[in-house]
Amino acid sequence: QQPVQSPQAVILREGEDAVINCSSSKALYSVHWYRQKHGEAPVFLMILLKGGEQKGHEKISASFNEKKQQSSLYLTASQLSYSGTYFCGTEQNFGNEKLTFGTGTRLTIIP
Amino acid sequence: NAGVTQTPKFQVLKTGQSMTLQCAQDMNHEYMSWYRQDPGMGLRLIHYSVGAGITDQGEVPNGYNVSRSTTEDFPLRLLSAAPSQTSVYFCASSYSDYNEQFFGPGTRLTVL
Repeated sequence: QQPVQSPQAVILREGEDAVINCSSSKALYSVHWYRQKHGEAPVFLMILLKGGEQKGHEKISASFNEKKQQSSLYLTASQLSYSGTYFCGTEQNFGNEKLTFGTGTRLTIIP
Repeated sequence: NAGVTQTPKFQVLKTGQSMTLQCAQDMNHEYMSWYRQDPGMGLRLIHYSVGAGITDQGEVPNGYNVSRSTTEDFPLRLLSAAPSQTSVYFCASSYSDYNEQFFGPGTRLTVL
């Protein structure tokens, strides 16, 4: 079942923070985050595994609440290069092998 | 390393025609998958493979066939193209299902 992402779109000024949420009605084993710029392929950001692990990647970090089947992506002090569409992908079971992506959150950073 | 390559980049087909989208990777990844991307729909899994000789269906497999005779190649066949198959197709590979997926540049397909 496709995870639900919110918000669908957000516009920020450079330097502001953003939070993108991903939730599922099913129990999750892992959550994957990707960013896609217009006309390009998705690019990997990070994976969070069952266990509530929080990860960071420069000024981008994420958390995974397995009890709520939710993950949040945090973008701190956003830069122009952060613009793009962010997708979360969820995997329900270890070895399930199927990654189901949400419909994406379009993030626009303006100077 | 070329990573994941896809050919062609663009293709226009007429309804009923068949064709094969090519995908190859040189990273010795076992896991490969095909997605289609439509506006507002995100990435939807068509078929995937966990190794040579092993394939399985994803969310939207109807109208598509795959095979995996080698670790490197994972072609996607459209049997009889329909306008509903107009989309951007991405091939991806990874070491395993819970590792980073590397995406190819995509094939933009239009079916008239």
